[in-house]
Amino acid sequence: GENVEQHPSTLSVQEGDSAVIKCTYSDSASNYFPWYKQELGKGPQLIIDIRSNVGEKKDQRIAVTLNKTAKHFSLHITETQPEDSAVYFCAASMPSGTYKYIFGTGTRLKVLA
Amino acid sequence: DAGVIQSPRHEVTEMGQEVTLRCKPISGHNSLFWYRQTMMRGLELLIYFNNNVPIDDSGMPEDRFSAKMPNASFSTLKIQPSEPRDSAVYFCASSLGLAGNEQYFGPGTRLTVT
Repeated sequence: GENVEQHPSTLSVQEGDSAVIKCTYSDSASNYFPWYKQELGKGPQLIIDIRSNVGEKKDQRIAVTLNKTAKHFSLHITETQPEDSAVYFCAASMPSGTYKYIFGTGTRLKVLA
Repeated sequence: DAGVIQSPRHEVTEMGQEVTLRCKPISGHNSLFWYRQTMMRGLELLIYFNNNVPIDDSGMPEDRFSAKMPNASFSTLKIQPSEPRDSAVYFCASSLGLAGNEQYFGPGTRLTVT
């Protein structure tokens, strides 16, 4: 079945450094890839997304890249700050006709001050 | 907008009891999703509705779980009877319903079954 793999499961970086989280998906028909940030005790919140007709998207310190051929996409956070510490989830949309996402297993990012 | 509203935020119950979780989606959204989050299994989709109709319930773990959406502004997830392995955080999310539209998550209900 459809699957999304996410790496690493935990990531510690020094404040100001960059963080990269990578995901791979299995279904070539997936065409929408959101990234969610989940803080302790809260629900996931969308931070950035990318569609399959775009290779890269940037929003201030956050960027996402997509390689459709290799079926992988990555989240890049530059100039990390302590408030970036959270669990990050990638997701891939299921084939058209459904509204389902398959989520990755999450990456716990810790930014050390 | 108040966002997706879930109640209760925390629920502690004894094994065998019935549990009902509630969700109010964002006004105007026509798709609603119920997820379960555990350390072992991550974020799992249980069921989703479009225009109040259940579309896919393949993620519902057992017949003990049931979900309803009687109108566009309310949904329930019921577990009867509850078991300790049902302990998890249950999230409700809503979206405008088209594939590729953002799902907005509620704050979740932390369920503990003793």
